[in-house]
Amino acid sequence: EDKVVQSPLSLVVHEGDTVTLNCSYEVTNFRSLLWYKQEKKAPTFLFMLTSSGIEKKSGRLSSILDKKELFSILNITATQTGDSAVYLCAVEEVGNQFYFGTGTSLTVIP
Amino acid sequence: ETGVTQTPRHLVMGMTNKKSLKCEQHLGHNAMYWYKQSAKKPLELMFVYNFKEQTENNSVPSRFSPECPNSSHLFLHLHTLQPEDSALYLCASSHTSSSEQYFGPGTRLTVT
Repeated sequence: EDKVVQSPLSLVVHEGDTVTLNCSYEVTNFRSLLWYKQEKKAPTFLFMLTSSGIEKKSGRLSSILDKKELFSILNITATQTGDSAVYLCAVEEVGNQFYFGTGTSLTVIP
Repeated sequence: ETGVTQTPRHLVMGMTNKKSLKCEQHLGHNAMYWYKQSAKKPLELMFVYNFKEQTENNSVPSRFSPECPNSSHLFLHLHTLQPEDSALYLCASSHTSSSEQYFGPGTRLTVT
């Protein structure tokens, strides 16, 4: 039923740990997959992925897409307390239709 | 500050009230979106406007009525809501050629 499934639902790690967040999807006319970080209210954009196997990187965050297996991962290395947030995965279908997962709640403790 | 503003930030209304949510974007985008975010549920896309034309209406009840007078402004008119409509309502904008959306801070709506 859910078109976008994220795992784990929540995660607690210590500062300095590396985490991997998962997103699997099932849509008919895939256009792109997006990752967002939601701290208090407004989700903020992290990455947009359209092609398989090409890693996108921004500082300690990186993400990759596998269009054959229909999933994406978001990696965060050397985590900091400021990384604590809900990470949302969304998939866009052709025609401006967006489907979001329920998110992974990440807590980084000092 | 993301360039997308929403007012009010918090709203409490009774089931017989009529109210409106407002969204404004200062990013020069031509697509605008309304989402509903309820606890423990994924963001749900409600409405999409491209160049002021509504292109998506995801089976949203008629007690929610969107209005897009121009590419920078988006309203959500509310009337005879139900308690289960209590949620965070997020507005977003993007270029139609890009999937990257910029979100506003949301309006926390409580229906009593």
